[in-house]
Amino acid sequence: EVQLVESGGALVQPGGSLRLSCAASGFTFNKYWMTWVRQAPGKGLEWVATIKEEGSEKYYVDSVKGRFTASRDNAKNSLFLEMNSLRGDDTAVYYCARGMRYPDYWGQGTLVTVSS
Amino acid sequence: SYELTQPPSVSVSPGQTARITCSGDALPKKYAYWYQQKSGQAPVLVIYEDSKRPSGIPERVSGSSSGTMATLTISGAQVEDEADYYCYSSDSGINGVFGGGTKLTVL
Repeated sequence: EVQLVESGGALVQPGGSLRLSCAASGFTFNKYWMTWVRQAPGKGLEWVATIKEEGSEKYYVDSVKGRFTASRDNAKNSLFLEMNSLRGDDTAVYYCARGMRYPDYWGQGTLVTVSS
Repeated sequence: SYELTQPPSVSVSPGQTARITCSGDALPKKYAYWYQQKSGQAPVLVIYEDSKRPSGIPERVSGSSSGTMATLTISGAQVEDEADYYCYSSDSGINGVFGGGTKLTVL
């Protein structure tokens, strides 16, 4: 059974940093692109970033370029999202999901709140 | 930036057919995907590659695409189909994009 479990969400001040993690199991992690998607409170889904199987290619939505970095540790079946210079509009539930062309399996999400 | 446009809401009575549309300029060349999200839960894939159903998704859920519009159809909608539905595709490259979401009400 495919499982994705996010962690690391927290309350952080504007301008701060946070690192999200996603633990994957139930599939061969190093054979899949992985994706981060976020959802602000009461709002729709927003694609954030996608990273290739070995991490050599990464793609980001314009609003996070230069501030967020996706990475992965295939030896530990883990996906990460390093978030810097956080702003209020980064407040959201962050989901990790499997896949590049489309996310097929999703985790339950972790909440990031950016507020002073 | 590339956008996918959905109606904010669709309402049907139980047993009726619900149709949710998604329009985007790249859809003639790109597949559409559909996700169902119930309150407080993670999204679930219900249609992939325009019209294919993942295992476990009931046959009353179907998808189609023509030109710049993709359509999610729920035949004989049931109360448990009430949810937010999002279409998803990609721009000319790798970047993903979601539609704004459609709230389906069945009552």
